Amino acid sequence: DIQMTQSPSSVSASVGDRVTITCRASQGIDTWLAWYQHKPGKAPKLLIYAASTLQTGVPSRFSGSGSGTDFTLTISSLQPEDFATYYCQQANSFPHTFGQGTKLEIK
Amino acid sequence: EVQLVESGGDLVQPGGSLRLSCAGSGFIFSNYWMNWVRQAPGKGLEWVANIRQDGNKKYYVDSVKGRFSISRDNAKSSLFLQMNFLRAEDTAVYYCARTTVTSHYYYGMDVWGQGTTVTVS
Repeated sequence: DIQMTQSPSSVSASVGDRVTITCRASQGIDTWLAWYQHKPGKAPKLLIYAASTLQTGVPSRFSGSGSGTDFTLTISSLQPEDFATYYCQQANSFPHTFGQGTKLEIK
Repeated sequence: EVQLVESGGDLVQPGGSLRLSCAGSGFIFSNYWMNWVRQAPGKGLEWVANIRQDGNKKYYVDSVKGRFSISRDNAKSSLFLQMNFLRAEDTAVYYCARTTVTSHYYYGMDVWGQGTTVTVS
């Protein structure tokens, strides 16, 4: 199975800050990667697919990059509604594993 | 409105069985791969299983192989997860989600249900 490792596991930031979350795959996955935002009691929300393509309706402050084994999710200017847990997920091979999550908290 | 609605979650004893359902509406259900994803209390998201549009390809995470079975009824726009020999570690909120996959791209799971809770105790 492909292991997905996110860093950091948690981060504290302020409104307006730029935040970058990293996701590393245990083997190359090309760009078969998606990013999700998840808030307690809500359904997860797709942010980015194919590593760098912004899902329709997602604010442009979110961006993704990477290919192969190393990927990043960047939020350019944090807004209050962005405080949540973020997950990467690979779909290069089964099982379609998620990273362990990065909890973004208000400083 | 594009929507997925799960049902069937319950409290069940270890070793018991449960069948989850997911009803799709507002889109052509038969055009999409469908997934089950779960979140155990205090844990992250875990992909559980998915099924191809025609129902002829199914994939599972190792921890549920031989115990869970995913199926679909495209005529009723419905997805199912038959869960047998349940264990305490299967306790989670279970989400269904749709996805599009081509030979070149994974488009991610773009529509999710609100989840149904399974408690094994």
